[in-house]
Parts: sequence; C-alpha cells; structure tokens
Amino acid sequence: DVKVTQSSRYLVKRTGEKVFLECVQDMDHENMFWYRQDPGLGLRLIYFSYDVKMKEKGDIPEGYSVSREKKERFSLILESASTNQTSMYLCASSYTLRQPQHFGDGTRLSIL
Amino acid sequence: QKEVEQDPGPLSVPEGAIVSLNCTYSNSAFQYFMWYRQYSRKGPELLMYTYSSGNKEDGRFTAQVDKSSKYISLFIRDSQPSDSATYLCAMLARDDKIIFGKGTRLHILP
Repeated sequence: DVKVTQSSRYLVKRTGEKVFLECVQDMDHENMFWYRQDPGLGLRLIYFSYDVKMKEKGDIPEGYSVSREKKERFSLILESASTNQTSMYLCASSYTLRQPQHFGDGTRLSIL
Repeated sequence: QKEVEQDPGPLSVPEGAIVSLNCTYSNSAFQYFMWYRQYSRKGPELLMYTYSSGNKEDGRFTAQVDKSSKYISLFIRDSQPSDSATYLCAMLARDDKIIFGKGTRLHILP
C-alpha cells in the first residue's frame, strides 16, 4: 500500500511567520502534489513536482513555494503566513501524471 | 459551465439502502475516472478507477461511466454506517491534469 505521510496533523501559527509543511512518500513515486481544501471550494492545486528539484505552479501558487531535494520528500512553504491561508493542506503522490493520486491525511493549519 | 459538477449533499439514506452518487462533466476529452472516499479529518482515499464506459464492480461498490452523456456514478449496495463520508469524483484531462469534483457528503442512518 502507498503511504503518504504528512509531518503534522494540526498546526497553529501566527501571521507573518514562515511555515513549513512536510510530506514523505514511500512508493518511489515520481510526482508529488500539494493541495488545499476549503469548504465549498473543493481541492485546489497549489504546486506539483514531477522530479527532484523540478516544480510546476498549480492553480493557486501565490504566497506559497515548494522544495523537492529528495524524491520521497516534498515541502510546502508559506513565506509569510496570512489568515487567508488557514486551511486543510493535503499532499499527494503518483507514479505517473496519468495515474491516480494517493493522499496523506492532511495538515489542518490555522493562522492567527 | 464548470468542468466537473457534483451535488454537495448532504445525502441521507437508511442503512441497507442502495446509494447512488453522481458527477457530470463538460469536457469530452476526459480519459479516466476515479472515485475517492474522504472521512472527516482524513485525506481522500482512492476507491475505484476506470478508463472505459460501462460498469466496474468491486465488492459493494460499482462505478459506472457513460461517456456519451458525460455522466459517472458510484453505487453502494447494502450501505453501512461506516460508508458515511464525503465522496469525490475525479477525472483525467488530456493535459494530464486531474480535475476533482467538490464532493458529496453521505450519511448512512442506522
């Protein structure tokens, strides 16, 4: 079974802080993704990575950056957290872009 | 018109009933179709995926795709309280992007 692990289930930070969300997958998947999920808006893609050190913007990249130094690890960075970034953040991975994605259990992030 | 439409619910049905969950889509180029189940405070879990029109069965779950009508369904037979969750449909477009529906909340009443 694919295992996607997100480092924190719940996180509370203050506005202006730099926030790091970590994700690790154990299936040697090429592709990794970061989404945020908000009521009424569904899943929105922030960034994805198709290889180590490679990244592509998704639909809502503003205010975020990512890092993929190793194949199994994909980090989401909030450069200067703001209250409108309070959300559920979901990491996913897939072997190819044309195969289903497998999700972690999410990080519920609150920015105060 | 949105690319993928899914009724948000909530849909409440009695235990043991057959549940029908549906999505419509506008892009005839969508190539394969997935259903995810998401329990409260958890990530989405892949339930089923299929490439072709017709039915695909897995235990109590049946996924149905009608490409001519741009309509997909997930049927759950003998529904259980443990089936209470949000169900998301998802589809792969030609540019290799996966488009998700917003999910339907399902409550199975004991």
